[in-house]
Amino acid sequence: EVQLLESGGGLVQPGGSLRLSCAASGFTFSSYAMSWVRQAPGKGLEWVSVISDSGGSTYYADSVKGRFTISRDNPKNTLYLQMNSLRVEDTAVYYCAKAPSRALTGNEYWGQGALVTVSS
Amino acid sequence: QAVVTQEPSFSVSPGGTVTLTCGLSSGSVSTSYHPSWYQQTPGQAPRTLIYSTNTRSSGVPDRFSGSILGNKAALTITGAQADDESDYYCVLYMGSGISLFGGGTKVTVL
Repeated sequence: EVQLLESGGGLVQPGGSLRLSCAASGFTFSSYAMSWVRQAPGKGLEWVSVISDSGGSTYYADSVKGRFTISRDNPKNTLYLQMNSLRVEDTAVYYCAKAPSRALTGNEYWGQGALVTVSS
Repeated sequence: QAVVTQEPSFSVSPGGTVTLTCGLSSGSVSTSYHPSWYQQTPGQAPRTLIYSTNTRSSGVPDRFSGSILGNKAALTITGAQADDESDYYCVLYMGSGISLFGGGTKVTVL
């Protein structure tokens, strides 16, 4: 059974940093692209970032480019999102998601999400 | 920048059929955009229904189907049930690693 478990969320002040982790199990982690998707309170889903199966290619939404860094540790079956220079508008539930294949397109399985609140 | 468009809301009768669409503010949606569809109820994580235009995710009943209709991606729900009442989101792959979500469609079953 595929399982994705996010951790690391919490309250942070504007300008601060936070690192989210997503522990994966139930599949061969190193064979799939992985993504982060977020949802601000009462709003729709927003694609944030994707990383290739090897970790060699990463892509970001314009809203987070230069501030967020996606990475993965394949031997540890863990996906990360390092978030720096956080803004109030980054407040959201952050979901990690597994792609259906090595391709960077689509998501097949989702974690339960981690809440990040940016507030003074 | 392109905008992915979805109907804000739709209403369907129990047992009825509804087709939700996913378009682009400029241009047509084709299979090259690898459209995916997700279902979400309040307070829950999204659930994948369809990826790569028309591939059903594991465990998704066959009353959910994906296609390209004209210049848009489409999600059709046949035999609507009460627990289909949810928000539905599409996402399109724009190329160069970038994906864009639509604003979502709220489906009411009544």
